[in-house]
Amino acid sequence: DAKTTQPNSMESNEEEPVHLPCNHSTISGTDYIHWYRQLPSQGPEYVIHGLTSNVNNRMASLAIAEDRKSSTLILHRATLRDAAVYYCILNRPHLVETSGSRLTFGEGTQLTVNP
Amino acid sequence: EPEVTQTPSHQVTQMGQEVILRCVPISNHLYFYWYRQILGQKVEFLVSFYNNEISEKSEIFDDQFSVERPDGSNFTLKIRSTKLEDSAMYFCASSEAPVRRTGELFFGEGSRLTVL
Repeated sequence: DAKTTQPNSMESNEEEPVHLPCNHSTISGTDYIHWYRQLPSQGPEYVIHGLTSNVNNRMASLAIAEDRKSSTLILHRATLRDAAVYYCILNRPHLVETSGSRLTFGEGTQLTVNP
Repeated sequence: EPEVTQTPSHQVTQMGQEVILRCVPISNHLYFYWYRQILGQKVEFLVSFYNNEISEKSEIFDDQFSVERPDGSNFTLKIRSTKLEDSAMYFCASSEAPVRRTGELFFGEGSRLTVL
């Protein structure tokens, strides 16, 4: 799988927007960009994913660079509950449609939200 | 909101003993997974399961590990003869469709395994 690079840690203030960057310069044309987060003592939680176009959902927005070599997860108004490790993961579709695909988690970015 | 449930939340076992970790995936999901996270380390993929068979497994998932869906609702991970290095948090996950289509895996809260 292609590698992603994220800052080890970032800090934000409550109710301010947060932009979490991810570099993936070796991404291939079929790689999807997934974001998960892991709150303390919990399992990972899906945030958002995309292929080429920017994506929005109730949790966040995903901005994908035109060349797809980087992406940014945007939390529009950080809350204390958003303090977590955020993982940017590339996923290459499995050759067999009906098979699941593994997600390869890296170290992620530890987001601290200050009150 | 539907969720993946795992039992036990914490199990302590002696080295060499067999352990079974249980998971109840979300009811309409068809794809099932086990991941693990050794304390302070990355989340690692172990195995994915679809249509009553393993669809993919990692190098970690050796002959000591097995998975089963015994009754159509539970999804279990068995470790035949535990080693100290099996101590970790084990996460079960499920998805309605292949990851590449929905992107969304639903993870449980994990089962902490401590091997003494």
